[in-house]
Amino acid sequence: AQSVTQPDIHITVSEGASLELRCNYSYGATPYLFWYVQSPGQGLQLLLKYFSGDTLVQGIKGFEAEFKRSQSSFNLRKPSVHWSDAAEYFCAVAPPDGNQFYFGTGTSLTVIP
Amino acid sequence: NAGVTQTPKFQVLKTGQSMTLQCAQDMNHEYMSWYRQDPGMGLRLIHYSVGAGITDQGEVPNGYNVSRSTTEDFPLRLLSAAPSQTSVYFCASSYAPHNEQFFGPGTRLTVL
Repeated sequence: AQSVTQPDIHITVSEGASLELRCNYSYGATPYLFWYVQSPGQGLQLLLKYFSGDTLVQGIKGFEAEFKRSQSSFNLRKPSVHWSDAAEYFCAVAPPDGNQFYFGTGTSLTVIP
Repeated sequence: NAGVTQTPKFQVLKTGQSMTLQCAQDMNHEYMSWYRQDPGMGLRLIHYSVGAGITDQGEVPNGYNVSRSTTEDFPLRLLSAAPSQTSVYFCASSYAPHNEQFFGPGTRLTVL
């Protein structure tokens, strides 16, 4: 069965510091990979996605993610965090031969001044 | 375009009551889905549809029914609400199951 693991439930970083959020998936073949962000009381917004090709993917708001097949990982990064980045971040996978989307349990990001 | 709309935004039910959560999209997306979001659980798929007249179960379908009579609408029905169904419900749509999903603003449901 497919699964998505986000090992960090909550992360606190200082404004201006770098950020890395971890995501690992379990699936036989390489699925389609996504990162979504959810601000308090809001729906989910797509940050970036990986289908194929270049393993370093650029997204909105200065985020990027790197796909590493050998580690079954798709970690999200940002070189300098802004206070407005405080939110919940979800990694998601979609098997190319299936009809379902699978979300991780999320990582809550707090940004301190 | 309005995107994905959901009504109501908030709802309080008593145990045993029934209700329908509405979801509509104006992007001509074939794929629509319902999720529930609970603390520490992420989003879990309840039901999904790959087109009008076609629905299927997701990870947590028990206690919920869906139908898809048109491309635009995908209502979620709770036939007999239970406290365990207290949650935030999100509807989403996309061109295909593995494409970017567009989410509605959510419905916060409390069952007493």
